[in-house]
Amino acid sequence: NAGVTQTPKFQVLKTGQSMTLQCAQDMNHNSMYWYRQDPGMGLRLIYYSASEGTTDKGEVPNGYNVSRLNKREFSLRLESAAPSQTSVYFCASSVVPGGSNQPQHFGDGTRLSIL
Amino acid sequence: AQKVTQAQTEISVVEKEDVTLDCVYETRDTTYYLFWYKQPPSGELVFLIRRNSFDEQNEISGRYSWNFQKSTSSFNFTITASQVVDSAVYFCALSETTGNQFYFGTGTSLTVIP
Repeated sequence: NAGVTQTPKFQVLKTGQSMTLQCAQDMNHNSMYWYRQDPGMGLRLIYYSASEGTTDKGEVPNGYNVSRLNKREFSLRLESAAPSQTSVYFCASSVVPGGSNQPQHFGDGTRLSIL
Repeated sequence: AQKVTQAQTEISVVEKEDVTLDCVYETRDTTYYLFWYKQPPSGELVFLIRRNSFDEQNEISGRYSWNFQKSTSSFNFTITASQVVDSAVYFCALSETTGNQFYFGTGTSLTVIP
């Protein structure tokens, strides 16, 4: 039971480089989310996809783009990485969007450092 | 405004002590859902419990218990006889029926000292 799989687990980038964080879930969930976690800030929502074919901005979308490739996969792209984007990134999925008692299930996170 | 407030940033207790982690939320919805997650030092986020707003019955699971009080908009988490393995960051989260998002508090870092 893989659940939510994120790749890579660690990445170091130079300022200005681009990269895509991959996320896949095998639970047949409809909704997927990308968060960043910074010290003292908790989890902040970057983008989410309530269902296949839709994406919406969260609290901190600037500097990121997302693609809901299919029901299983939801990728996060940094077009031109900045040191402020150094963070731990979590992907999550849930059966349905918020507004239900169904919890989110999280991947193990990606530690991203921008030099 | 923060929808979920966890005012305790860090707590340290000695093993076997009881500890309560506070969570206060804000919503205009009459139906909503509350969650607690645990993030151990290894970093993954583990779902612990959910509570529906229309179910105010408190819940106990082993050494863990949750006290939901609608009147004070609180959903507190108590660990009885704490153990070193309880050391983690604990997050409280809110899901409203009017939106598609989950709102997380900033977390409480619990350290249990042996």
